[in-house]
Formats: sequence, C-alpha cells, structure tokens
Amino acid sequence: RKEVEQDPGPFNVPEGATVAFNCTYSNSASQSFFWYRQDCRKEPKLLMSVYSSGNEDGRFTAQLNRASQYISLLIRDSKLSDSATYLCVVNRVNQGGKLIFGQGTELSVKP
Amino acid sequence: DGGITQSPKYLFRKEGQNVTLSCEQNLNHDAMYWYRQDPGQGLRLIYYSQIVNDFQKGDIAEGYSVSREKKESFPLTVTSAQKNPTAFYLCASSIDWGPQHFGDGTRLSIL
Repeated sequence: RKEVEQDPGPFNVPEGATVAFNCTYSNSASQSFFWYRQDCRKEPKLLMSVYSSGNEDGRFTAQLNRASQYISLLIRDSKLSDSATYLCVVNRVNQGGKLIFGQGTELSVKP
Repeated sequence: DGGITQSPKYLFRKEGQNVTLSCEQNLNHDAMYWYRQDPGQGLRLIYYSQIVNDFQKGDIAEGYSVSREKKESFPLTVTSAQKNPTAFYLCASSIDWGPQHFGDGTRLSIL
C-alpha cells in the first residue's frame, strides 16, 4: 500500500461545481497534514494545513478523519483559476520535518 | 520579499559532466530540502538538511551530493553518476515540522 494515496483523476467539472478530493495515508501515527496546489510546470504552493477539527478557507474546506486515516479537500463554486493538480501531503513519522507527497489529483474547471 | 530562489531556471548537462543547482532562502528557515519530480509523478526526496553543516540522504540520493555551509544556502550537485538526471528539481525550506515552501524550480535536461 502506498504511504499516501489520492484519487487518480483527472476531474473535469463545470464552473460553479463543487468537487471533493480524497486522500488516504498508511501510518496512523502521522500528525501533520497539508494540501498543496501545483500549476502546470510550476512549483507546489501550500493551499492549507489540515487540522483535526477540520478547517475552512473561503471556498476550500479540509477534513481529517484519523480513525479512517483519510483526508479530504472540498472546493465549492469552482472557478476556472482552480484548475491545477492538488497534492495531499503527510509528515513522515519520527523523521523530523520530512513530508510524503501524494501523486496529485488533477482538476480541470471548464466554462 | 522573503522567499526561496533557485537558479538557473533551465540547465543542460553534457554526458559525464557534474552540474550544480543553486538554492538560496532568506526566510531564516533551519530546514532545507531537495526534491525531484518526473512528469506525471509525485515529488521524491533527494537530500535534506535540518541544520547548518549537517545533511541526510533522502529516498533517491544516489548520483547527487549537497552541502550546507550557510543557513541560507543548500546547493545540489548532480554528478555524472546520475544516469537519468532529466527532471524538475525543487528546493524547499521549513521551520521545524511546519509546511514546506518551495522555490520555482530548475528544469535539467541532457544534451
């Protein structure tokens, strides 16, 4: 089983749609979780950290389910500018600041 | 403006040549990382450094070398021993176990 596994994608949605990405992680002791966004041929950029209680930033909502070892990202009212690859990221347990990156889920928002 | 600067943006390597990729940060972060990304794949950790004058191998260190003589700088050398160096190289930094922030990357190709 991969350490971090994401929905394979791509997701093709119309503008205004709500889209959800799922991610599972294998190590139950993981403590830090993040969603990054990566545009084509660019560097990844931090979208949001994921907290145990769930957190929201505008149209974006992140959820963590420790029992199921599952993280989700919900995007409401999709914009054309949301088109990108979304990376699920989890810390490596007992290895300092090292992170494990999922392979990413590509989102394409169409007019 | 604080950030991470990678140079050059594009680099070409001849057979048998060593090349060095630069990474400088002015965020006062202790930890720095080098990743490699191949098309359609996730990020893989090459080397990381938690403190000046100390660094550790990541998952794919063979054919690469690094140094960390200054807090701000973490150059990566791609040696001739790396037989498949064509990739997108990303440098990142972080405070302790926090999220990592990336430079805009160097694309390396073989001539």
